[in-house]
Amino acid sequence: DAKTTQPNSMESNEEEPVHLPCNHSTISGTDYIHWYRQLPSQGPEYVIHGLTSNVNNRMASLAIAEDRKSSTLILHRATLRDAAVYYCILRVSGNTPLVFGKGTRLSVIA
Amino acid sequence: GAVVSQHPSRVICKSGTSVKIECRSLDFQATTMFWYRQFPKQSLMLMATSNEGSKATYEQGVEKDKFLINHASLTLSTLTVTSAHPEDSSFYICSASRWQFYEQYFGPGTRLTVT
Repeated sequence: DAKTTQPNSMESNEEEPVHLPCNHSTISGTDYIHWYRQLPSQGPEYVIHGLTSNVNNRMASLAIAEDRKSSTLILHRATLRDAAVYYCILRVSGNTPLVFGKGTRLSVIA
Repeated sequence: GAVVSQHPSRVICKSGTSVKIECRSLDFQATTMFWYRQFPKQSLMLMATSNEGSKATYEQGVEKDKFLINHASLTLSTLTVTSAHPEDSSFYICSASRWQFYEQYFGPGTRLTVT
C-alpha cells in the first residue's frame, strides 16, 4: 500500500477552519484518497474520499493537489465534537481493507 | 445509513477462557468484513479479512488458531479469542464494506480485558 504522511498533532480554535495536510508522494493512478476519523473510545467513521477532483460533503471538504501527491482535509468550522484522530488512507477498491497509519490528533480549543 | 453493531461493547474474562465478539451489519449486506485491534494510544491494526462462506485471510503475525473468525452470513461475522491471556486485552473493532460503495462502516468496538 502506498504510504501517507501526516503531522502527529494539530490544534485549532473552536469555530475556526482547520486544514489537515496529508502527503502521499507514491500514490498510484488507481488509489483513492480516503479520510476517516476516530473519536475517543469509538470506531472510526468515514469523512470523505476523492480521486482527482476536490470534493465537498456535509462534514468536510477535500482538496487534492493537481499532481495528487498531497491532499488537505478542510473542516470549515471546527467544533469541540471534531476533536479526534484523523486518518488519511490510500485505497484501491471498496473491498480492500483500510490500512491505518498514525493519523493526526486534532485538538479543538474552546 | 449503514450501521454496524458489535456485541458485547465491553467484556472482562479470566485468563485461559474464550470470548466471542459479534459484528453485525444492521441494514445492509456486507460483502466483506474486517477485524482490527487497537492497543492504547496506538493506531488500528488489521487482523483479518473475512468474506461470507469462506475462510478468513489473516494478516502476518496474527494467529488464526487463536483468533477464530466465522462469517456465516452476509450480516454477521464473529471473532472468538481462544485461551485469552492478559496481552490479548485490547479494543477490537470490526468493519464492513458493501458492493459498489467505497465507504467502510465501522462498529463501535469491543473492549476486552483479560484478568
